[in-house]
Amino acid sequence: DAKTTQPPSMDCAEGRAANLPCNHSTISGNEYVYWYRQIHSQGPQYIIHGLKNNETNEMASLIITEDRKSSTLILPHATLRDTAVYYCIATQPRNAGNNRKLIWGLGTSLAVNP
Amino acid sequence: GAVVSQHPSRVICKSGTSVKIECRSLDFQATTMFWYRQFPKQSLMLMATSNEGSKATYEQGVEKDKFLINHASLTLSTLTVTSAHPEDSSFYICSAGLAGGPGKQYFGPGTRLTVL
Repeated sequence: DAKTTQPPSMDCAEGRAANLPCNHSTISGNEYVYWYRQIHSQGPQYIIHGLKNNETNEMASLIITEDRKSSTLILPHATLRDTAVYYCIATQPRNAGNNRKLIWGLGTSLAVNP
Repeated sequence: GAVVSQHPSRVICKSGTSVKIECRSLDFQATTMFWYRQFPKQSLMLMATSNEGSKATYEQGVEKDKFLINHASLTLSTLTVTSAHPEDSSFYICSAGLAGGPGKQYFGPGTRLTVL
């Protein structure tokens, strides 16, 4: 799995967009970018994933650069409940039995302020 | 969406006792489940991969005789911390993925273990 680099912490005002960057310069052609978040003392929650096209779902948008060496997770209107640690992971999407293990870095601690 | 539960959510035990943590996939079958440990202000550390009907695969440095994993059915995996000591106090989290589905994992809410 490709190594990912994220800023350790970020702040965002409530109601504004939160843009969380991730660098994955050594990503290989068959590796996807996954984003998860972990609210304090809870299990992680899947947010979104993508290969090379930009993706959007009800939680967030994922923008992947054309060279795929970096990506940005966008929370369009951050709320206080979005305060969490956000993890960016680059990995292959599946293998036999879907037992691809995920390697977790330290993520970005996002604080959404009122 | 897929739901994973863990029980208990919190447990306090005396040093030397064994503790069993259950991880269930409530609305899907999981041939593979993962067990993680997380210490305060640290990231998730994968302990082992639990495979239904076969032995678990442990990560380097994780004692398989201390952390017993059983995956007896497609919806249940258990982690038993044997002869627990205070240094085993941690947040234990399990996850599972849909067989044949995308690579995303569904996580349980975690179990906070405190060993006195």
